[in-house]
Amino acid sequence: NAGVMQNPRHLVRRRGQEARLRCSPMKGHSHVYWYRQLPEEGLKFMVYLQKENIIDESGMPKERFSAEFPKEGPSILRIQQVVRGDSAAYFCASSPPDRGVYEQYFGPGTRLTVT
Amino acid sequence: AQSVSQHNHHVILSEAASLELGCNYSYGGTVNLFWYVQYPGQHLQLLLKYFSGDPLVKGIKGFEAEFIKSKFSFNLRKPSVQWSDTAEYFCAVNARDNYGQNFVFGPGTRLSVLP
Repeated sequence: NAGVMQNPRHLVRRRGQEARLRCSPMKGHSHVYWYRQLPEEGLKFMVYLQKENIIDESGMPKERFSAEFPKEGPSILRIQQVVRGDSAAYFCASSPPDRGVYEQYFGPGTRLTVT
Repeated sequence: AQSVSQHNHHVILSEAASLELGCNYSYGGTVNLFWYVQYPGQHLQLLLKYFSGDPLVKGIKGFEAEFIKSKFSFNLRKPSVQWSDTAEYFCAVNARDNYGQNFVFGPGTRLSVLP
């Protein structure tokens, strides 16, 4: 059973470009969570999605950031018009239905560098 | 809102020394508690978790943690560290009544074990 997959592992974008980060949950997992890890900080929750639904986006910046988890395909975290402050590691986690409070399995992360 | 604090930013030990990493959380309700480890360049791995029952939980690689409800603490211990334990350690909390199901992470403690 493959773990949570994220790609790309490393992404370099110039200021003003768009970044798209992809996350494929573990097989059988229908819940996806995105976290951001800034340098020297712990992970901060961004958004929690189920298939075709955003359940909790209380951690998402109000502008430029969006997330989706379509019926088919991976979850996408999209950052428009990136700025240097968006440079961070972005981790995706997945869980089986209604098990998120007990278990979340993390992917390897995407390290975004904005130049 | 939940929050998690970790006492030490960076701990340096020699091999065979004993380890204790502090973790305190603030939340009045029932919580699930976790310790994750992040080896250099790798993703988060679950070390151990506590849901209920015996407050002393044993995890992988010889780690254990003790939940002390009255102190809102969940400290991580290992009797004898190895060089391969060099990593970043994160304490995390998830409230049982958290509809959003997101984990709240501490800022992390970097452990350096000297050979």
